[in-house]
Amino acid sequence: DSGVTQTPKHLITATGQRVTLRCSPRSGDLSVYWYQQSLDQGLQFLIQYYNGEERAKGNILERFSAQQFPDLHSELNLSSLELGDSALYFCASSVAVGRTGELFFGEGSRLTVL
Amino acid sequence: TQLLEQSPQFLSIQEGENLTVYCNSSSVFSSLQWYRQEPGEGPVLLVTVVTGGEVKKLKRLTFQFGDARKDSSLHITAAQPGDTGLYLCAASRSNDYKLSFGAGTTVTVRA
Repeated sequence: DSGVTQTPKHLITATGQRVTLRCSPRSGDLSVYWYQQSLDQGLQFLIQYYNGEERAKGNILERFSAQQFPDLHSELNLSSLELGDSALYFCASSVAVGRTGELFFGEGSRLTVL
Repeated sequence: TQLLEQSPQFLSIQEGENLTVYCNSSSVFSSLQWYRQEPGEGPVLLVTVVTGGEVKKLKRLTFQFGDARKDSSLHITAAQPGDTGLYLCAASRSNDYKLSFGAGTTVTVRA
């Protein structure tokens, strides 16, 4: 158990819909990261927050947005869903924002868009 | 294009054999990490290497960071079925906090 909690574990929805994925980081961790993992793209970095502020951005689509709340939990919002958005979405947390720090990953949210 | 290129993509070996997985890039990194991911779970950190030429050992796993800090390798001695999983390398460029992952090597150790 990494200490990172993600909900829901599985989600099935239709194209055009909007979903919200939730992440609670490990106690004491200030940084939250979101990654998308698909068979053809591997683990792709989406966005990182540190203590409520956006710190780094990857190839996150404009239809996707995220935020980190004062209690440090984070949400990833995916809208106007397309078939290609079907993937595993991972949240990870770390103590700080340094490059050598360990990332602790949750078990992921599996999104299926039909 | 991927920042980190991993090879081979798939590796299937018999229990007791040795294996090596590679992670290469044209970029120089201040550090590089190796993670292992098992089905249905998130990646778990195995090691972080920081110094060029550094070699770290974790039981039967040996990690090496290239002298130029552009590449790394993971060697497993006498592989066991419990070593089965997806091995991922990850790194950040010196001017970027974004941690990028390679596509991974899927290792299967047959009993």
